[in-house]
Amino acid sequence: QGQLVESGGGVVQPGRSLRLSCAASGFTFSNFNMHWVRQAPGKGLEWVSVIWYDGSEKYYGDSMKGRLTISRDNAKNMLYLQINSLRPEDTAVFYCARDMAVIKGSYGMDVWGQGTTVVVSS
Amino acid sequence: DIQMTQSPSSLSASVGDRVTITCQASQDIHNFLNWYQQKPGKAPKLLIYDASNLEKGVPSRFSGSGSGTDFTFTINSLQPEDFATYYCQQYDNDPSLTFGPGTKVAIK
Repeated sequence: QGQLVESGGGVVQPGRSLRLSCAASGFTFSNFNMHWVRQAPGKGLEWVSVIWYDGSEKYYGDSMKGRLTISRDNAKNMLYLQINSLRPEDTAVFYCARDMAVIKGSYGMDVWGQGTTVVVSS
Repeated sequence: DIQMTQSPSSLSASVGDRVTITCQASQDIHNFLNWYQQKPGKAPKLLIYDASNLEKGVPSRFSGSGSGTDFTFTINSLQPEDFATYYCQQYDNDPSLTFGPGTKVAIK
């Protein structure tokens, strides 16, 4: 079915940058589009970004657009999210997730990681 | 942008009850809707895709219906492990995805 393990979260000061990582295993990573989803404390789910299976296309949600770079390394089965100019309101659990469709578009998520927590505070 | 609403935002129910949650889209999204379950401290889990299709391994007491702008998610005979928050999510605006605000199902 597949497994995803995020890392890279932590406590960071406002204005700093952070790179989140997601290690994939148990499935053919290069066949799937991959997402990042975040969840602020006590709040709902918010879609953040998607990258196509081959890295050819990348899309971002409006709330963090301009401060994000999603990337992947299919040779290493790794997904990344670079977040710049972090703000206190970015404090959240960030999940990486696999799109439910093979190669196609952006539909939804059928495999999720356990999440990595980002706390933005001085 | 497509906006998603859910009602109720929370409910209390007893084991064995039938629970219904509605999700409404701000425009026609055909059947491009998924439902997820999330328990505290855990990642979401896909339950229903394409509005009415049960994800593999998900118990048959879960079901979904609807198309266009109005959707329903039902749990028949609520079980103790079903107490969680449920989210709808649209993908008509592919690649941009939108989640509903969630419905918390609590124990009465």
